[in-house]
Amino acid sequence: GQQVMQIPQYQHVQEGEDFTTYCNSSTTLSNIQWYKQRPGGHPVFLIQLVKSGEVKKQKRLTFQFGEAKKNSSLHITATQTTDVGTYFCAGHAGGTSYGKLTFGQGTILTVHP
Amino acid sequence: DGGITQSPKYLFRKEGQNVTLSCEQNLNHDAMYWYRQDPGQGLRLIYYSQIVNDFQKGDIAEGYSVSREKKESFPLTVTSAQKNPTAFYLCASSISDTATNEKLFFGSGTQLSVL
Repeated sequence: GQQVMQIPQYQHVQEGEDFTTYCNSSTTLSNIQWYKQRPGGHPVFLIQLVKSGEVKKQKRLTFQFGEAKKNSSLHITATQTTDVGTYFCAGHAGGTSYGKLTFGQGTILTVHP
Repeated sequence: DGGITQSPKYLFRKEGQNVTLSCEQNLNHDAMYWYRQDPGQGLRLIYYSQIVNDFQKGDIAEGYSVSREKKESFPLTVTSAQKNPTAFYLCASSISDTATNEKLFFGSGTQLSVL
């Protein structure tokens, strides 16, 4: 079945440093989504990428979808303590059936002030 | 306020006991889902339902059961057959016009522990 691998599992940064998490799928994806889960909270949808090579920005966050639609990345510029949490990618296998999102293991980001 | 409500926040299960986790949404979403989250792992799909009175098994359905009698409600029962039930359980619903456009809205979760 489809597998989505996410690295690194943990990342510790000093406030102001940049952060990147990478997501790789074993199969070509229809689209990829990113979620953020604050400590003690629940995942919150951030963004969805659909097109090959797509790049989207949300303030200090930059999301990319690979040309082959098998990998994606999330880059945060100049991290802040509010960025702390776990970032998940979720790849959609496509097709007409629901329930086809496969989540990566997540990257736990710690930001030291 | 619109949203997804899960209850209880914490739940303890005794050996051989079935427990039911509640999930209610007032977002008027058709699709609802149950995920299990374990430390260091991603979210794994237990069951999902696209419409009332219909549901499908996800990747780890063994030891769990669901029902979808109303659009707003999707309760999950953790049966005694689930030998390792300790986990954080997340209910979600999606606003989607097509299957590939599923965007999940999550409840605040239920932490289930075994006594």
